[in-house]
Amino acid sequence: LAKTTQPISMDSYEGQEVNITCSHNNIATNDYITWYQQFPSQGPRFIIQGYKTKVTNEVASLFIPADRKSSTLSLPRVSLSDTAVYYCLVGDRRNSGNTPLVFGKGTRLSVIA
Amino acid sequence: GAVVSQHPSWVICKSGTSVKIECRSLDFQATTMFWYRQFPKQSLMLMATSNEGSKATYEQGVEKDKFLINHASLTLSTLTVTSAHPEDSSFYICSARDGLDEQFFGPGTRLTVL
Repeated sequence: LAKTTQPISMDSYEGQEVNITCSHNNIATNDYITWYQQFPSQGPRFIIQGYKTKVTNEVASLFIPADRKSSTLSLPRVSLSDTAVYYCLVGDRRNSGNTPLVFGKGTRLSVIA
Repeated sequence: GAVVSQHPSWVICKSGTSVKIECRSLDFQATTMFWYRQFPKQSLMLMATSNEGSKATYEQGVEKDKFLINHASLTLSTLTVTSAHPEDSSFYICSARDGLDEQFFGPGTRLTVL
């Protein structure tokens, strides 16, 4: 599984757009990029997944450059409730069979009023 | 999406006792479930892979005799922490994989060993 590198922490004010970048230099051809969100004392929650270019859903956008060696999770107009740890994972999309999801250190986002 | 539950959500026990944590897939069958452990301010660490009807596969450094995993049905996996000690206090999270190989996480169980 490709190793990922993210900033340890980020701070943002309410209403701002937050961009969290993840480096994955050793990403394989079949790998997808997936982001999870985790609130304190809760299990991780799937946010978004992509392979290349841009993916957008009701929660976030994911930008992936052509070389796919990095990706950026974009959270529009964050609120206090977006304070959480965000994990970037790289691996086969379906993680089929017995392959588990492997978490890196994640980015702790703190949203300030 | 699919729902995974855990019970109990938190438990406090005395040192030396055993604690059982249940992980259930509520609306799908899960051939494979995973158990993770998370210490404060740290990431999730995979403990073991649980397959229905067979023995669990443990990660290096995880004692299989201390962390007993049973996956007797397609909707239930249990983790039993035997002879718990204060250093076993942690947040235990399970996940389950559905028929489309999507993985869903439970809400976690906070274990405190006194």
